[in-house]
Amino acid sequence: DAKTTQPNSMESNEEEPVHLPCNHSTISGTDYIHWYRQLPSQGPEYVIHGLTSNVNNRMASLAIAEDRKSSTLILHRATLRDAAVYYCVHLYSGGGADGLTFGKGTHLIIQP
Amino acid sequence: KAGVTQTPRYLIKTRGQQVTLSCSPISGHRSVSWYQQTPGQGLQFLFEYFSETQRNKGNFPGRFSGRQFSNSRSEMNVSTLELGDSALYLCASSLAGQVSTTQYFGPGTRLTVL
Repeated sequence: DAKTTQPNSMESNEEEPVHLPCNHSTISGTDYIHWYRQLPSQGPEYVIHGLTSNVNNRMASLAIAEDRKSSTLILHRATLRDAAVYYCVHLYSGGGADGLTFGKGTHLIIQP
Repeated sequence: KAGVTQTPRYLIKTRGQQVTLSCSPISGHRSVSWYQQTPGQGLQFLFEYFSETQRNKGNFPGRFSGRQFSNSRSEMNVSTLELGDSALYLCASSLAGQVSTTQYFGPGTRLTVL
């Protein structure tokens, strides 16, 4: 089974950068790494994804280790609205269908 | 575009009953996946449908089943409900279910089994 490991919780101050780590040691060469986040009382929402190269979008940056066994989600300037559970998701591709294997996620707390 | 919708939003059932949950994907999305979320187990993948066919299935008992209609709407059914089935059931849709495709989640259906 595809497994990801994340810290249970992290705390940061508003307007500071946040680095959320994830280990995915069982990842194979064609598996993507996705990050989602879940705000209270909502379904998860997509944040970013990547395969090998570092990726940037308007929400965050994703830094992927050279051996692909770990990645880091970077929120460049955290706001109170970024307080959520962040999931690092190992998207395995088997049989043409793609199930998402979610870990327990990291509960990100933002202090004003 | 309207997002993923799920009905009902809340449901209370008793042990032994069965339940059917519905999911309407984003227009144009052909892949629908279902997940179960509980405090103890987190978010677990149930199954995924694409073009009315189940393409992948997680490790859940046969009491959990689903189907997809020609308009991509999907339903999941849980028979002989158990207390442990109490959970938030989430549906997600994506364009084609390829490895890099973003999934869009609905708000979920909160099922309580008494």
